[in-house]
Amino acid sequence: AQSVTQPDIHITVSEGASLELRCNYSYGATPYLFWYVQSPGQGLQLLLKYFSGDTLVQGIKGFEAEFKRSQSSFNLRKPSVHWSDAAEYFCAVGSRKGGGADGLTFGKGTHLIIQP
Amino acid sequence: NAGVTQTPKFQVLKTGQSMTLQCAQDMNHNSMYWYRQDPGMGLRLIYYSASEGTTDKGEVPNGYNVSRLNKREFSLRLESAAPSQTSVYFCASSAKLLSYNEQFFGPGTRLTVL
Repeated sequence: AQSVTQPDIHITVSEGASLELRCNYSYGATPYLFWYVQSPGQGLQLLLKYFSGDTLVQGIKGFEAEFKRSQSSFNLRKPSVHWSDAAEYFCAVGSRKGGGADGLTFGKGTHLIIQP
Repeated sequence: NAGVTQTPKFQVLKTGQSMTLQCAQDMNHNSMYWYRQDPGMGLRLIYYSASEGTTDKGEVPNGYNVSRLNKREFSLRLESAAPSQTSVYFCASSAKLLSYNEQFFGPGTRLTVL
């Protein structure tokens, strides 16, 4: 069975500083990989996704993530965070079985706090 | 386009009561999903429907039933609610195009079982 680990439950970053959120996955082949963001009391919004090809993917709001097969990682980065980036971030993996229609497996999330 | 809509937004039940959470999407998506979100647990898949007429269990199906009413609608039923089912429930849908699995989420239903 696939699984996702987000090692950091909370991360505090100063506004304007760089950010890296870690994600490690367990899956028998190359999975589909996603990062979602959830603001308080809101649903989930897709930041970016990796399916194949270029291992560095660009997303919305200035985020990027890099797929590293050798490390089974898909870390999320942003060069300079803004106060509005404070939210919960979820990494998720999707199976390529079933034509991609199976549900996603989510990590437990990383809560990002931005210090002024 | 409303995307994925869920009703109700909030609900309080007593133990043993039943209720149905409604979900609809207007994106002509084939696949639909129900997740629950609990503090410190991320989202966990309850049931999904890969296409109209099919449903499958996810990671945590016990205590729930689902109905894929048509292509647009996918409901989640709690027959006899328990306090352990207090959670935020999210519905999602995906187009299942080109064998990828990008999912779009509704705003959630916050359920409290007393």
